[in-house]
Amino acid sequence: GAGVSQSPRYKVAKRGQDVALRCDPISGHVSLFWYQQALGQGPEFLTYFQNEAQLDKSGLPSDRFFAERPEGSVSTLKIQRTQQEDSAVYLCASSRRETYNEQFFGPGTRLTVL
Amino acid sequence: AQRVTQPEKLLSVFKGAPVELKCNYSYSGSPELFWYVQYSRQRLQLLLRHISRESIKGFTADLNKGETSFHLKKPFAQEEDSAMYYCALIIQGAQKLVFGQGTRLTINP
Repeated sequence: GAGVSQSPRYKVAKRGQDVALRCDPISGHVSLFWYQQALGQGPEFLTYFQNEAQLDKSGLPSDRFFAERPEGSVSTLKIQRTQQEDSAVYLCASSRRETYNEQFFGPGTRLTVL
Repeated sequence: AQRVTQPEKLLSVFKGAPVELKCNYSYSGSPELFWYVQYSRQRLQLLLRHISRESIKGFTADLNKGETSFHLKKPFAQEEDSAMYYCALIIQGAQKLVFGQGTRLTINP
């Protein structure tokens, strides 16, 4: 079946612009995660949803970052007033509840803020 | 605080030689550890997890709680093993993965 998909794959934004990144998890997957991966680093956790509930947002770096999953399926990560330090690959992952610790990753969205 | 350390950013070995990618962790609880791999132009994918105690593509990893290590090993490297490898642990109850910085493995012909 189809894996996790993300769009857009590449996004260039001018500093100060708002961006929205979309994630389509694997159908039926209850859990959804967002990670940020800076150049040369491993992914770092941003936030986690179980269905539509955002259970952990401890990794969001500032209040400019906001994530939602209103119907428990598609999720959007929004970054307001982007800064250069927001440039990174944003990864989405999903997992089935009963195997919650096997996360399936999407291809990522590469965000470049000029 | 929980942390995963991969001391080698780059590792290069010849085809047929043994390979070991190092991973050390710090975590106060009982860890669950993973190795993820990212081949060129592909997405991050699970390679193996310690509780499965299985060999995937010839790779094995043993959790050593005394040394807080989870090194990835393969006795005979193949060119298709060239990839980026990430060690990760999961925080109990939190479900989030904590990743190391990754090791880029290059297998030379």
